[in-house]
Amino acid sequence: DSGVTQTPKHLITATGQRVTLRCSPRSGDLSVYWYQQSLDQGLQFLIQYYNGEERAKGNILERFSAQQFPDLHSELNLSSLELGDSALYFCASSGAHYGYTFGSGTRLTVV
Amino acid sequence: AQSVTQLDSHVSVSEGTPVLLRCNYSSSYSPSLFWYVQHPNKGLQLLLKYTSAATLVKGINGFEAEFKKSETSFHLTKPSAHMSDAAEYFCVVTLFSGGYNKLIFGAGTRLAVHP
Repeated sequence: DSGVTQTPKHLITATGQRVTLRCSPRSGDLSVYWYQQSLDQGLQFLIQYYNGEERAKGNILERFSAQQFPDLHSELNLSSLELGDSALYFCASSGAHYGYTFGSGTRLTVV
Repeated sequence: AQSVTQLDSHVSVSEGTPVLLRCNYSSSYSPSLFWYVQHPNKGLQLLLKYTSAATLVKGINGFEAEFKKSETSFHLTKPSAHMSDAAEYFCVVTLFSGGYNKLIFGAGTRLAVHP
């Protein structure tokens, strides 16, 4: 157990639908990062939050959004889903220990 | 600009033989470097990290990596491969931009271990 918790582990949904992925960071970590891992694109940085505020954006589509709540957990919202959105979505957290701890990911399958 | 190149997309070794996974980086300042491992259908696990202390870094499961500034390399090694080492390995460099750190991932090296 890395200390970063992601739910659900697996998600199957239809095209056009909307899903929410949840991440709880390691205790004490203020930063949360979201990554997408697909076969053709590899690991892509999506977005980072620090203590509730958006800090950086990567290759995140406009159909995707995220937020970090006062208790520091984060949610990644994916809407108008397309087949190409099928991927593993990872959350990572970091803090004063200057390391990045990854969760076990959510595998999204869009059918 | 910071970037990281993993020189081999696939490496195959026999159990009990040495492992070498190669990584070169480019960075305009002293980087922080990491190796992560991903087993099938699992998340990313930190193997080791270099943060400008000792150039030879020891990690978990017998892995180690040496930071060579003159060669801009951070190759991952293990003296004797085990079947359980079969996984995908990612070399990672940090990018500091706009007041924050961002991880830049290499494309990954898939390690196969044969009996």
